[in-house]
Amino acid sequence: NFMLTQPHSVSESPGKTVTISCTGSSGSIASNYVQWYQQRPGSAPTTVIYEDNQRPSGVPDRFSGSIDSSSNSASLTISGLKTEDEADYYCQSYDSSNGGVFGGGTKLTVL
Amino acid sequence: EVQLVESGGGLVQPGGSLRLSCAASGFTVSSNYMSWVRQAPGKGLEWVSVIYSGGSTYYADSVKGRFTISRDNSKNTLYLQMNSLRAEDTAVYYCARAHSISWWFDPWGQGTLVTVSS
Repeated sequence: NFMLTQPHSVSESPGKTVTISCTGSSGSIASNYVQWYQQRPGSAPTTVIYEDNQRPSGVPDRFSGSIDSSSNSASLTISGLKTEDEADYYCQSYDSSNGGVFGGGTKLTVL
Repeated sequence: EVQLVESGGGLVQPGGSLRLSCAASGFTVSSNYMSWVRQAPGKGLEWVSVIYSGGSTYYADSVKGRFTISRDNSKNTLYLQMNSLRAEDTAVYYCARAHSISWWFDPWGQGTLVTVSS
């Protein structure tokens, strides 16, 4: 089964830049689009990046997404960190055999 | 405004059944891919099921044979019929529109909690 693997947690200071990785278990992660969702406690997920590197309206350009085919991974980069960015982040893609696939989630701490 | 509102969650005994509803506004359910995603307490997101605009349905292995996704076009509402429920089905269930090419889930509903316990 196709899986997406994320680090369990990352932490960084306000104003700094952090990158969260999402590695595909097999095949090419570039074969299907990757999305990134932010989830705060008690709330539904919201999109910060869709279709690899697109930002929905209202998401600041501090958030960016990329794909690295050489490492079969996607990345979410957040620059100029703010305390309000503290949340869980999930990558998500699609697999023809398994349907929707989510990474395990990464807890971002801004301290 | 594009919006999804789930309902139907609650406490059910192991082996029991429950039907979740997801009422859509601002877009037409039958013209879109619609999905259910769940999140067990303290855990990550898990894709559960999808219904395509053409009516085809697909399920995660963990629920195949027990859950059924459907829609009522006249009510613009998505459903998830859950049978033979197990303790491990305890989760917040979200409905979401899935964009057909990218499988981008947007928007999401607010979620409804299903607790399977005796």
